[in-house]
Amino acid sequence: NAGVTQTPKFQVLKTGQSMTLQCAQDMNHNSMYWYRQDPGMGLRLIYYSASEGTTDKGEVPNGYNVSRLNKREFSLRLESAAPSQTSVYFCASRGGAHQETQYFGPGTRLLVL
Amino acid sequence: GDSVTQMEGPVTLSEEAFLTINCTYTATGYPSLFWYVQYPGEGLQLLLKATKADDKGSNKGFEATYRKETTSFHLEKGSVQVSDSAVYFCALSDQGSWGKFQFGAGTQVVVTP
Repeated sequence: NAGVTQTPKFQVLKTGQSMTLQCAQDMNHNSMYWYRQDPGMGLRLIYYSASEGTTDKGEVPNGYNVSRLNKREFSLRLESAAPSQTSVYFCASRGGAHQETQYFGPGTRLLVL
Repeated sequence: GDSVTQMEGPVTLSEEAFLTINCTYTATGYPSLFWYVQYPGEGLQLLLKATKADDKGSNKGFEATYRKETTSFHLEKGSVQVSDSAVYFCALSDQGSWGKFQFGAGTQVVVTP
């Protein structure tokens, strides 16, 4: 049981490049989330998926898109990366016996030059 | 909207000292409250939680009590160890919604030998 996994762990992009951050969970959770973490700002929600087939915007969605590929996988895409998107990105999932708790992946550290 | 305020860090302590991290919240409903811990280079791990007023969450020597009258969920540990050095996040989840979390900004704790 790996929990929530994220790939890649670290990525460097040039401004304007695109990339997709991958997230998968093996806990059969319905809900999945993407956050970004910036110094002094805690975690801010980018997008979430309350259940398979649905996605919705969070607090800071601009410049991102998401795809809930199936119940396990929830990807985050940067179409044209900007330096302001330099951050650490966390995926999380929620569901099962502890409905109120979110479980986090190890994060992807992204640097946009 | 819902919000979480926690004390700013860094908090620097000597080993075996008493730790308190203050957390207060604003919520319209009856949220669940959480403390997450983030060790260097890792994702967030659930430390403890409380789902209703007067509940006490505890784990690894840490405790926090859900105080509805003061809208607080302060984290305490009686005797910290160097291994407790981490960033601690207070968070709430509005049970009436789709599980959205609101995080505090995080408090860095540094424990010295």
